[in-house]
Amino acid sequence: GNSVTQMEGPVTLSEEAFLTINCTYTATGYPSLFWYVQYPGEGLQLLLKATKADDKGSNKGFEATYRKETTSFHLEKGSVQVSDSAVYFCALPDYNQGGKLIFGQGTELSVKP
Amino acid sequence: DTAVSQTPKYLVTQMGNDKSIKCEQNLGHDTMYWYKQDSKKFLKIMFSYNNKELIINETVPNRFSPKSPDKAHLNLHINSLELGDSAVYFCASSQGGKKTQYFGPGTRLLVL
Repeated sequence: GNSVTQMEGPVTLSEEAFLTINCTYTATGYPSLFWYVQYPGEGLQLLLKATKADDKGSNKGFEATYRKETTSFHLEKGSVQVSDSAVYFCALPDYNQGGKLIFGQGTELSVKP
Repeated sequence: DTAVSQTPKYLVTQMGNDKSIKCEQNLGHDTMYWYKQDSKKFLKIMFSYNNKELIINETVPNRFSPKSPDKAHLNLHINSLELGDSAVYFCASSQGGKKTQYFGPGTRLLVL
C-alpha cells in the first residue's frame, strides 16, 4: 500500500529562518499529495495540496512541489514566524482502500523569536 | 458556519463507561471518516462512510461502532472504554474518496 516518510522532529528555528520539512512517499499511481498543519490544541487544517506531478501547492508563504522523479513533496517556507509553530503532516490518499489518508509521523516545528 | 464540527471537544470519563462522539458537516460531502491520533501524534484511519454505507473498517476493536444516520452526520460510539482509548478523534469529510478531506476540530478523549 501507499506510505509516507516524513522528516523527524522536533525542528527548532529562529524567526525569519528558512524552513524545509522533507517528505517522501511510495504510491500506486499518482495520487494527490497534501500538507496538513495542527496548531497547538487545535484540529487539522489543510495547508496546501498538489494534484499531479510538477504541481506546486502554496499557501501562507509555504510551498511544496510534487516531484515524481524523487517521489518527494518537501515543504518549504522562506521566512518562518513564531505563529508557524505547529505540527506539520504530509499525507496521501490510498485510492485502493477507499481514499483513506496515509499520514507521515508529523514534524513538530518550534519557532523562537 | 463551521464546515466540520464535532461534539464534545473534550471528554473525560471512567474506564468501562460507554460514550459517543458526534460529527456533522455542512459541506454537502458524501463521504465521512473517523481518524484516531495517538499520544505521539500519529494519525490512523478507523472508519469511512460513503452515502451512509460503511466502506472502510480498519482493524478496530468492535467496541467501536460508527453510525451514519444521514450523509451529513457520522457518530462514533465506544463501549466499555479502556485506558488505551485515550486519544484525539478526528472526523473528516470529502466529496467522494478521491477529493480533499476536511477535518473537524477533534475530540480529546481521556479515559481514567
